[in-house]
Amino acid sequence: AQKVTQAQTEISVVEKEDVTLDCVYETRDTTYYLFWYKQPPSGELVFLIRRNSFDEQNEISGRYSWNFQKSTSSFNFTITASQVVDSAVYFCARGYGNKLVFGAGTILRVKS
Amino acid sequence: DTAVSQTPKYLVTQMGNDKSIKCEQNLGHDTMYWYKQDSKKFLKIMFSYNNKELIINETVPNRFSPKSPDKAHLNLHINSLELGDSAVYFCASSEGGPTYEQYFGPGTRLTVT
Repeated sequence: AQKVTQAQTEISVVEKEDVTLDCVYETRDTTYYLFWYKQPPSGELVFLIRRNSFDEQNEISGRYSWNFQKSTSSFNFTITASQVVDSAVYFCARGYGNKLVFGAGTILRVKS
Repeated sequence: DTAVSQTPKYLVTQMGNDKSIKCEQNLGHDTMYWYKQDSKKFLKIMFSYNNKELIINETVPNRFSPKSPDKAHLNLHINSLELGDSAVYFCASSEGGPTYEQYFGPGTRLTVT
């Protein structure tokens, strides 16, 4: 099966809270790539990160960090000290064969 | 400079009409895609082209026909539009296949009445 699961449909936090978005994927492959995308209210899809299965080091970019756990097939995304501008739909995705399969997305609402 | 552009941004039309959406990328990428995003925000691949050659045709009705005149352009033509075709259509491009990040256009919101 080719499935990416984002179990959290919607999360609401207050500004400055930390928030983690979960992503679990199915795989039988040893080599694969994982991605996160952001879709703000304006509608465009913004690429955030690409990670290959060989690199299990966590990645940090400013307030964003990603935790890749091969053993649990998870690739979670944490926003530290959330801001209102982080409000968006966040998609996790995995490359399968010739295509990218997206999770259903998690709506993040950050309130001031 | 816009990396991936789509026109039009909004399209409102009646059932039964035929319409086209155009996409252009100036990133020099070899691979282009069309995605459909439904009202629940679910994103699904429709087509993928690599250097003008169709790679993926993902069980999309025959009424949808992609055309790639060159590797920088991928257009989507839809015949006999139905209510269920209402969605946001995104074009994207990448250097190669799904091991590479994809860059998306701004989307075309199609409303069929």
